[in-house]
Amino acid sequence: DAGVIQSPRHEVTEMGQEVTLRCKPISGHNSLFWYRQTMMRGLELLIYFNNNVPIDDSGMPEDRFSAKMPNASFSTLKIQPSEPRDSAVYFCASSLEGYYGELFFGEGSRLTVL
Amino acid sequence: QQPVQSPQAVILREGEDAVINCSSSKALYSVHWYRQKHGEAPVFLMILLKGGEQKGHDKISASFNEKKQQSSLYLTASQLSYSGTYFCGTENTGNQFYFGTGTSLTVIP
Repeated sequence: DAGVIQSPRHEVTEMGQEVTLRCKPISGHNSLFWYRQTMMRGLELLIYFNNNVPIDDSGMPEDRFSAKMPNASFSTLKIQPSEPRDSAVYFCASSLEGYYGELFFGEGSRLTVL
Repeated sequence: QQPVQSPQAVILREGEDAVINCSSSKALYSVHWYRQKHGEAPVFLMILLKGGEQKGHDKISASFNEKKQQSSLYLTASQLSYSGTYFCGTENTGNQFYFGTGTSLTVIP
């Protein structure tokens, strides 16, 4: 079975540009999470969807960040405009039901904002 | 609200044992453990639910003391493949989940 699929794997962009990260969760999973990982802050939850509905977006840094889940098989995380401090690895993860079981992580999208 | 892990880093020789601790300031419902190898995604190891049960597979096991709001991960007879960063994840009784600060473990021959 395919795992969580993220794209792009690497993105280098200039400050002020729009960045869109994409995620396809494991089929049948009803929970989807976006995490950001940096050396300084570790793994931070940005947003958590359950059945395509945002449940917890308290980790979304500011209005420059937005996330959507239009259907059960696709989610996007958008940063507009991007800033150098947004440089990080962004992970998407999915699970059968929230935090009650295993989180399956994608391989991550490494974002560098110059 | 991020759980604190200790030690921050540990270096072991093959065959030695290690204990990684995870401590929360909030009452916990469950504790997860994940391992992340350099440049890869975190991979699930196990979940412990409220009740103090100990779990394990192979030579990696964990305990959960809900009264102390702590969990410990035990690695026995460590192998080179155990190297990586270990994260605990705690779900508190307010349905909030946070990953810990991480423990870097290096096993050398």
